This record gives sequence, C-alpha cells and structure tokens, in this order.
Amino acid sequence: GQNIDQPTEMTATEGAIVQINCTYQTSGFNGLFWYQQHAGEAPTFLSYNVLDGLEEKGRFSSFLSRSKGYSYLLLKELQMKDSASYLCAYMTTDSWGKLQFGAGTQVVVTP
Amino acid sequence: ETGVTQTPRHLVMGMTNKKSLKCEQHLGHNAMYWYKQSAKKPLELMFVYSLEERVENNSVPSRFSPECPNSSHLFLHLHTLQPEDSALYLCASSQEVAGPSSYNEQFFGPGTRLTVL
Repeated sequence: GQNIDQPTEMTATEGAIVQINCTYQTSGFNGLFWYQQHAGEAPTFLSYNVLDGLEEKGRFSSFLSRSKGYSYLLLKELQMKDSASYLCAYMTTDSWGKLQFGAGTQVVVTP
Repeated sequence: ETGVTQTPRHLVMGMTNKKSLKCEQHLGHNAMYWYKQSAKKPLELMFVYSLEERVENNSVPSRFSPECPNSSHLFLHLHTLQPEDSALYLCASSQEVAGPSSYNEQFFGPGTRLTVL
C-alpha cells in the first residue's frame, strides 16, 4: 500500500522553530518533496531529498531517513508569512514517477 | 504571463452544466498534470500528460474529460458533475515525466475553486 502521514496542525510563536514530521510507507521510493501552500494559492516547491541526511536551505531544512520511512521539515526563525500548509509528498518508482501527497500540516505562527 | 496559469479562478455550476477548466504553462515543460484538492484531504492525482499523450488516468469518473492539444495547454472538461466534486482543481507541469532514476519538480498553478450546486 501507499501511506503518508503528517500532523494536521501546529502552532508556534514568531521567531521560534517548528519541526513538521512526515512518515511514509511505500514499496517503491524515489525521493521526498516538501511544498508550501498559502491559503488560496498554488503549492510552491521547498525541498527535495532522495539520500539520507539533512538538506539546509536558508531558514528551512529537510531531513530524510529512508530506512525509517521518515522525513521532517524544520522551519527556523519563524515569520508571520510562514503561516501556511506544508505538504509532504514522496515520488514513486513508477515508470513516470507519481507524487503521493500527505494531507498537509497547517502551521499557524502567532505574534 | 509566467509560470502556470489557470482559468477561471472560481467556478460555480449546476449538476447539468458543461464547463471547462483551462491550464497554460509558460515554462517549456513537457509534462502536465491535473490534481483535485478537497478540504482536509491529500492532493489527488487525476491525469498526467507527457508530450500531449495521456500516461495516467487515476480511476477518475468519466464526467471529467481531459484534453491536451499541445504541450503548453491542458483542459479539463466537466459535465454532469456531483456536489462532491466541489474542490480546488490544480494544474501542474514539470520538465519531463520523471523516470525511476530522476526527479522533476512540479510547478503548480493557482487552481480553480469549483462549486457544484
């Protein structure tokens, strides 16, 4: 089967750090994506991990452990504009690489 | 225009209406996708086109009919929809349809918010 789970909602204070966890189960894995989606807007690409370890990109970092079927997105120095839904998605090894999305984690940043 | 555009942004239709959603990408990509996003649910892939050929039809009811006349344009024709089809319909594109040893970032349009009465 193909399952992917992430928390529904997280709240954090401006300037703080938040870690969004994502677990997945799949028989064929070809990388994990994180997207950000503001209300009423298109999802935008944040990161891609295919090898184990941490990828850092400014205030955002993404981690992958393939053996554990686990990833997290770390948001540092939170800003009000970071309030959004964060979508975890893995790519399968189908001949054309299907993206399987989680339901998204709504992050609310408070002053 | 840049990126991926979709029209209309909002659509309200009755169950007996016929309407079409339009997507256009200005990125020179070869693959295009339709997704459905319902409240509190994961994005659901509906259709994939690679070089104007449909490569995936993810068990979507026949009341949704895609059309890809060229690699820049993608349509979703709607007829006799049900209220449960109300959702945000997102179009995306990528450079290629990713193979097993590569990845391709998908660029999303802003979506069409569809309400079926």
